[in-house]
Amino acid sequence: QKEVEQNSGPLSVPEGAIASLNCTYSDRGSQSFFWYRQYSGKSPELIMFIYSNGDKEDGRFTAQLNKASQYVSLLIRDSQPSDSATYLCAVPAYSGAGSYQLTFGKGTKLSVIP
Amino acid sequence: SAVISQKPSRDICQRGTSLTIQCQVDSQVTMMFWYRQQPGQSLTLIATANQGSEATYESGFVIDKFPISRPNLTFSTLTVSNMSPEDSSIYLCSVPGTSGSIYEQFFGPGTRLTVL
Repeated sequence: QKEVEQNSGPLSVPEGAIASLNCTYSDRGSQSFFWYRQYSGKSPELIMFIYSNGDKEDGRFTAQLNKASQYVSLLIRDSQPSDSATYLCAVPAYSGAGSYQLTFGKGTKLSVIP
Repeated sequence: SAVISQKPSRDICQRGTSLTIQCQVDSQVTMMFWYRQQPGQSLTLIATANQGSEATYESGFVIDKFPISRPNLTFSTLTVSNMSPEDSSIYLCSVPGTSGSIYEQFFGPGTRLTVL
C-alpha cells in the first residue's frame, strides 16, 4: 500500500509569518506531487504541483521536492487568514493492472491567526 | 477549469436504502473519478468512470455496492446501495484539467451523505 504521510496539525501561525507544510511518501518511484487546498465544507482545489527536485515558486507559495529523502513541502509566505484551510498532499501511486491513482495524505489543517 | 455540479448537495437517508448521486460537467471529458471523504479523513478513490466502458473500481470497492453509469462525456452517476451508517461521507466527482495530466484534477462541490 502506497502511503502519503502528513502531520494532521492543526498548525497555527501568526498573520504574515511563513507556514511550512510537510509531506513524506513511500513510493520511491513517484515522479509528480500535488498540493490541494480544502476550505472547510468545500471541495479540494489544486494550488501547486512539482515534478523536479528543488523549488517551484508561484506567488506566495513555494513547493519544495527532495526525491532522495522522499519529502515534499509547501511554504506559504506572508500567511493570511484566508490561507486557513486543510492542505492535502497527493502523489500518483501504482494501483495495479497498469493504472495509477492519486493517493492523498490526510491533510494538515492550517490556521493563520490575525 | 471545468465547471462541475453535483446533485444532491446533501441528503439524509435510512439504512438499507440507496442514493444516486449525479455529476455534470460543462465540457466533454474522457475520464471522471469518484471519491469518498469520510469524516476527518482524506480522499479515497472509489472508481474511474470512462464513457463507453465499465468503471474501474479500486481495491475495497465493488460494483454491487457502488454502481456507476457514464452515459455520455459530460455526465456520470454513482449509486450508494444498501446503505449503512458507515457510508456516511462526502462523495465527490472530479475530472482532469486541460494540462494533459490526469492528476491535476478539478473537483465537484461534493454530496454530503448521512445514513441513519
